[in-house]
Amino acid sequence: SAVISQKPSRDICQRGTSLTIQCQVDSQVTMMFWYRQQPGQSLTLIATANQGSEATYESGFVIDKFPISRPNLTFSTLTVSNMSPEDSSIYLCSVLGGSGANVLTFGAGSRLTVL
Amino acid sequence: GIQVEQSPPDLILQEGANSTLRCNFSDSVNNLQWFHQNPWGQLINLFYIPSGTKQNGRLSATTVATERYSLLYISSSQTTDSGVYFCAVEGDAGTYKYIFGTGTRLKVLA
Repeated sequence: SAVISQKPSRDICQRGTSLTIQCQVDSQVTMMFWYRQQPGQSLTLIATANQGSEATYESGFVIDKFPISRPNLTFSTLTVSNMSPEDSSIYLCSVLGGSGANVLTFGAGSRLTVL
Repeated sequence: GIQVEQSPPDLILQEGANSTLRCNFSDSVNNLQWFHQNPWGQLINLFYIPSGTKQNGRLSATTVATERYSLLYISSSQTTDSGVYFCAVEGDAGTYKYIFGTGTRLKVLA
């Protein structure tokens, strides 16, 4: 199954700053997604990262706040812009195609704390 | 959109006990997975099970797609089973956008 590496694993950020999270996969994958998990909550899909084109955002998420890049089939970045304490969450990269074609596999996540 | 509810929300077990976790979804689905999120936050895929029954060691899962529910069975629980269990279903057919359930937080006591 695909192995996903995320950086940073955790960070503490100041209000008003931006942070970029990187997601590297050890094999080419067609579909890549970014999720957010707020403290004590379930996971919410932010967007689908599309290779070579603009990401597809879910309701409640916008490109200005969460710009996403995906230059190739193994790499993507998510930026959390102009952060506020409400952005304190775990951000998770996931890909389709773990031990099966329709299986979703996750990276270890990036835990952000905004002060 | 599709709604995914899990029960119970919290569960405390003594080591060695068995448990059943339930996932109800509001519409028909083509894809369903069960995940375990360990105390360090890592999500581990347990089962891909859009229908039928699967077993893996002490864990097994059953999905009855026509009745819109799935069950996860944990037998002879161990402290390492502690964490949060999520089911996730594909929201719109063919998009592979998984919608996560509300989760069941399990604590197994030694």
